[in-house]
Amino acid sequence: KQEVTQIPAALSVPEGENLVLNCSFTDSAIYNLQWFRQDPGKGLTSLLLIQSSQREQTSGRLNASLDKSSGRSTLYIAASQPGDSATYLCAAPLGLADKLIFGTGTRLQVFP
Amino acid sequence: SQTIHQWPATLVQPVGSPLSLECTVEGTSNPNLYWYRQAAGRGLQLLFYSVGIGQISSEVPQNLSASRPQDRQFILSSKKLLLSDSGFYLCAWSVQQNTEAFFGQGTRLTVV
Repeated sequence: KQEVTQIPAALSVPEGENLVLNCSFTDSAIYNLQWFRQDPGKGLTSLLLIQSSQREQTSGRLNASLDKSSGRSTLYIAASQPGDSATYLCAAPLGLADKLIFGTGTRLQVFP
Repeated sequence: SQTIHQWPATLVQPVGSPLSLECTVEGTSNPNLYWYRQAAGRGLQLLFYSVGIGQISSEVPQNLSASRPQDRQFILSSKKLLLSDSGFYLCAWSVQQNTEAFFGQGTRLTVV
């Protein structure tokens, strides 16, 4: 059974800070891990997908790493902006049907 | 390009009334389709997934059912809503195994 945990649950930082969001998973036999962003009352927006053969994936100011052996992934946000305020979710697949198991998320607030 | 449509965006229904939420995907064939629910203050819970027409797997025993009458159409239903069915319902799709998942904008269901 796959369990996904995210730390911290909430984070409030001033604009400009570099941030690290953590995600841990119990079943390391995953073939990818995905990070999402969710704005209040909205659906999920895919940010990054890291395949098991990769160790990092980058998109703009976002960088995600994956360490299967330790069951961890981190999302690094460089030079945070107020527009980054949202809930960030990581998800690991379970089974051949790609059933995504989600963490409970990190609620990020970046203030000016 | 692929898009996912989910409607309605919001819904207020009385207890005991029926429910039908619809999700359609455009621009791809034979996708995996998923229904998730996000209750207030809780993480995303997988309700149903489908790997093909007429193939539905249920993850959680509940008052809901799902159907996939066409390749790119996924419907979530209930014959009689309960107060506990209130929540944010999200439809998602992926192209078979080991690929990125994409979500719709969600339906906010309030049962009164």
